[in-house]
Amino acid sequence: DQQVKQNSPSLSVQEGRISILNCDYTNSMFDYFLWYKKYPAEGPTFLISISSIKDKNEDGRFTVFLNKSAKHLSLHIVPSQPGDSAVYFCAVFRGTSYGKLTFGQGTILTVHP
Amino acid sequence: DGGITQSPKYLFRKEGQNVTLSCEQNLNHDAMYWYRQDPGQGLRLIYYSQIVNDFQKGDIAEGYSVSREKKESFPLTVTSAQKNPTAFYLCASSSRLGVLPETQYFGPGTRLLVL
Repeated sequence: DQQVKQNSPSLSVQEGRISILNCDYTNSMFDYFLWYKKYPAEGPTFLISISSIKDKNEDGRFTVFLNKSAKHLSLHIVPSQPGDSAVYFCAVFRGTSYGKLTFGQGTILTVHP
Repeated sequence: DGGITQSPKYLFRKEGQNVTLSCEQNLNHDAMYWYRQDPGQGLRLIYYSQIVNDFQKGDIAEGYSVSREKKESFPLTVTSAQKNPTAFYLCASSSRLGVLPETQYFGPGTRLLVL
């Protein structure tokens, strides 16, 4: 039973426009939510996170929104750049789980010039 | 430069053979993890270790074994019992385990292929 789902396998966006990546989770007990970015043949790199007590966290062009009632997480990238083209994973964390992160399946973002 | 190294970049396994993937970190992190990535399935946790000489099974530990004899090293052995080993293997580490989600830092990965 998958606890974290990214239902869109891919997303294509024009340069300069907004990219919105979505993630749904099932367990309301998660404490933190994270986004990782991954280029082909490389390990994921941490992008941005949000605590369950907040509903928004912003870092430059990247903003993460958390809707706890809907158990929904989203990542907004504004403006999108061709270098943002990568696979984006959402991940969830529970304080009692010894640092274990549970990842979604990933969404391939392609930003066209 | 601090970081996580994984070797080799590509590894080929013959039927019935055990192979070991290396993971080394010089970040002085206590916790280390092994993940497997398959197309369309994201990252799945194989094993993790909170401290030297201790490790726990993750979600898909069958057919794998690990050891943690040194803080900086966490090798993963893919045994012949693992029937579908072809995947991209990622090692990660984090500074400590606790309430805060210590960000995990990932290595570059090893791609394992079966001959």
